[in-house]
Amino acid sequence: ELKVEQNPLFLSMQEGKNYTIYCNYSTTSDRLYWYRQDPGKSLESLFVLLSNGAVKQEGRLMASLDTKARLSTLHITAAVHDLSATYFCAVAPNFGNEKLTFGTGTRLTIIP
Amino acid sequence: KAGVTQTPRYLIKTRGQQVTLSCSPISGHRSVSWYQQTPGQGLQFLFEYFSETQRNKGNFPGRFSGRQFSNSRSEMNVSTLELGDSALYLCASSLGDGDYGYTFGSGTRLTVV
Repeated sequence: ELKVEQNPLFLSMQEGKNYTIYCNYSTTSDRLYWYRQDPGKSLESLFVLLSNGAVKQEGRLMASLDTKARLSTLHITAAVHDLSATYFCAVAPNFGNEKLTFGTGTRLTIIP
Repeated sequence: KAGVTQTPRYLIKTRGQQVTLSCSPISGHRSVSWYQQTPGQGLQFLFEYFSETQRNKGNFPGRFSGRQFSNSRSEMNVSTLELGDSALYLCASSLGDGDYGYTFGSGTRLTVV
C-alpha cells in the first residue's frame, strides 16, 4: 500500500526566509502533485511532476521530484505572508490508477 | 473556462438519513474522483469514475457509492449516515490520466447531527 509522508507537519517561518517541505513516498511512482489549501477552502493545484528530475517553479515556490529516492521537495524562497496555507503532496501509483494518496499536509505560517 | 462545480456547498443531515452530492467536471474532462477530508484522517480517496465506469475504489464501506452520467457529471451517495461521515467532500476532475493534474471543486461540507 502506497504511503506518503510529509514533514514538517507545522512550519512557522519569518518573512524573507527560505525553507523546504519534504514529501517521501513508499512505492515506485513518477507522478507527484503539490496542492495548496487555505482554511475552509478547496485544493489549489500548484505543480504537476511527471518524471524523475522534474523541476518546476512558480513565483517563490519551486518543486522537484527524485523518483529514485522517492522524494519530492517544495522549496519556498523569501517567504511572504500570502504563502501562509497548508501544503499537500499527493502521489498517483501508476498510469491507469488515478487514486491519489495524500500526505498529511504541512501547515505553513509566515510571520511578519 | 468553468471550473469544477460541486453542489450543494453545505449540508446538514441527521444520523440514519441518506445524502446525494453532485459534481460537474470541467468541460472535456472524463474522469471524476471523490475524496473525503476530515481533521483526523486527512484526505482519503473514495472512488474514481471514467466514462461512466468506476475505475478505482478506496477503502470505504458500501454505504458510500457513486455514479457517473454520460455527460461526465458525477454523483456520490452516502446511505445510513453516521456522525463520522461529517467531512468536506471534494471532487476532482481530469482528462483521465493525470498528466495535466487534477482540478478540485470547492467541496461540499456535510455535517451529520
